[in-house]
Amino acid sequence: GAGVSQTPSNKVTEKGKYVELRCDPISGHTALYWYRQSLGQGPEFLIYFQGTGAADDSGLPNDRFFAVRPEGSVSTLKIQRTERGDSAVYLCASSLAGGSPYEQYFGPGTRLTVT
Amino acid sequence: GQQVMQIPQYQHVQEGEDFTTYCNSSTTLSNIQWYKQRPGGHPVFLIQLVKSGEVKKQKRLTFQFGEAKKNSSLHITATQTTDVGTYFCAGLINAGNNRKLIWGLGTSLAVNP
Repeated sequence: GAGVSQTPSNKVTEKGKYVELRCDPISGHTALYWYRQSLGQGPEFLIYFQGTGAADDSGLPNDRFFAVRPEGSVSTLKIQRTERGDSAVYLCASSLAGGSPYEQYFGPGTRLTVT
Repeated sequence: GQQVMQIPQYQHVQEGEDFTTYCNSSTTLSNIQWYKQRPGGHPVFLIQLVKSGEVKKQKRLTFQFGEAKKNSSLHITATQTTDVGTYFCAGLINAGNNRKLIWGLGTSLAVNP
């Protein structure tokens, strides 16, 4: 079946601009996670959705970052007033249920470059 | 804060040699998961350990969970070039009403043919 998909695969934007990154989880997966990964680092947790609600957004670095999942499937990560330090690969993962020991299935990621 | 440490950060081996990466937590873990990320790829789930002292094997890979559920290891016997990648452990921690997956920084494995 289809895995987790993310669009776009690459995004180059200028400092100060607004960007949206999209994640399509595996059908039927109620839990959705956003991470970002810099070169040579492990995934850095940003936010976790259980259904439509953000169950844990403690990883969002500041209020420029926001994520939604209005219908409990597709999620959008929104970054306002982008900064060069936001450049990273943004990974989305989904699992059957959240807060439980279910494996996470990762998408291919969106590589964000802020110039 | 809660941390999961992984060592070594990098490892170069000759093909056929064994490889081990270690994961240590400052907090007792509910379970631990291991993922592999190939260069340019995304993390892919390998296995999950839940019980104290648990040992699981996948072909040449052996995974262990410590008795105190604070450490884990991944051992690869007779490495092959296909084993190249970064291996991450991720520990599930109970944090109040939340259960949070804390990721290690990974061990990057290079295999010389």
